[in-house]
Amino acid sequence: DVKVTQSSRYLVKRTGEKVFLECVQDMDHENMFWYRQDPGLGLRLIYFSYDVKMKEKGDIPEGYSVSREKKERFSLILESASTNQTSMYLCASSPPPPNQETQYFGPGTRLLVL
Amino acid sequence: EDKVVQSPLSLVVHEGDTVTLNCSYEVTNFRSLLWYKQEKKAPTFLFMLTSSGIEKKSGRLSSILDKKELFSILNITATQTGDSAIYLCAVELSTSYDKVIFGPGTSLSVIP
Repeated sequence: DVKVTQSSRYLVKRTGEKVFLECVQDMDHENMFWYRQDPGLGLRLIYFSYDVKMKEKGDIPEGYSVSREKKERFSLILESASTNQTSMYLCASSPPPPNQETQYFGPGTRLLVL
Repeated sequence: EDKVVQSPLSLVVHEGDTVTLNCSYEVTNFRSLLWYKQEKKAPTFLFMLTSSGIEKKSGRLSSILDKKELFSILNITATQTGDSAIYLCAVELSTSYDKVIFGPGTSLSVIP
């Protein structure tokens, strides 16, 4: 069974704190993604990675960074959390071509920044 | 256990055809149902549905939700090759923490 796990289901942090969101997949997928989901705005891509130590900016990378030191793990970092980063964060992974269109999602991390 | 089911899982049609994609769900604390179109890079948001019987339209795409029967359909009329994609249905839950459950997706191929 395909499995994507996220380290926390619910987090509460204070403004200015450094926040780490971890995502692990056990399917040996090359591609991994971080999204945020907000009511009425749908799913927006923050960063993605096509290989270890490789990253590319998505649609809304500002205020975020990522780390991919190992193939199975993709971390999202909020260097200095702000209240507008309160959101649902979803991690996903996908296999290499020709099936790269299928993304497998984790359960999500709900982050509240006070 | 909360779950979202989509059918069919894959579909091949000719340009100009009309297609209907189905999504059914069994969840607790339903908040909204979401449709996405997933192409190469990332899913694109299509619709958010919260009320039964109110059709949402965007060009050739439309969608409706039935909260009594726990399903939604996504219609695409006059299909074009650019409609080829995976269409994801997701249900957002309202619990002590927000949760989104995605269905497996319907892979649509539109051939000329």
